[in-house]
Amino acid sequence: DTAVSQTPKYLVTQMGNDKSIKCEQNLGHDTMYWYKQDSKKFLKIMFSYNNKELIINETVPNRFSPKSPDKAHLNLHINSLELGDSAVYFCASSRGDTYNEQFFGPGTRLTVL
Amino acid sequence: AQSVTQLGSHVSVSEGALVLLRCNYSSSVPPYLFWYVQYPNQGLQLLLKYTTGATLVKGINGFEAEFKKSETSFHLTKPSAHMSDAAEYFCAVSGGDYKLSFGAGTTVTVRA
Repeated sequence: DTAVSQTPKYLVTQMGNDKSIKCEQNLGHDTMYWYKQDSKKFLKIMFSYNNKELIINETVPNRFSPKSPDKAHLNLHINSLELGDSAVYFCASSRGDTYNEQFFGPGTRLTVL
Repeated sequence: AQSVTQLGSHVSVSEGALVLLRCNYSSSVPPYLFWYVQYPNQGLQLLLKYTTGATLVKGINGFEAEFKKSETSFHLTKPSAHMSDAAEYFCAVSGGDYKLSFGAGTTVTVRA
């Protein structure tokens, strides 16, 4: 069983479109995250939810909106896609304890044309 | 606040040679330290972690790392490189506040 899963794995779309990426974890974790990995492989935290409450909201355009319907799911909706949004987006989860060991999904490669 | 510096964006080693990846951290509180590996087109996988206790930690695939508080370092080593070790490696630090700060990554290539 996959611990942290994301769909879709690949997403190719035109500028200006709206798209969503879904994430699910079956680890029983309380905290979930979205990261963006750019072409230089740099990982940047975007958002984090703990028990469905937003706890981290980094400097991200408000075209990006996370939604957590329950502890096991965290989705990312992106409005009005721009070329600069092309990247790999990773979902992760953790127990929400002090150590903060995070488990990552396989990533979604978003290409905006 | 916490941060990580990985020295060397690219390391090339011969198969069978020592792998050494350097990581220095900055933290205002006792840190929790992690090394992750990312194989091409995959997510990040935890190699090993330091939380408390023994400063030499062993991980998967023959990797180990030593936490040195006096040097604020957490370098990753493997005595003998294998072709399958070719990947991107990330050092990360947590200060216990839900945030994990990653280094810029080190690409490892292994020469036959």
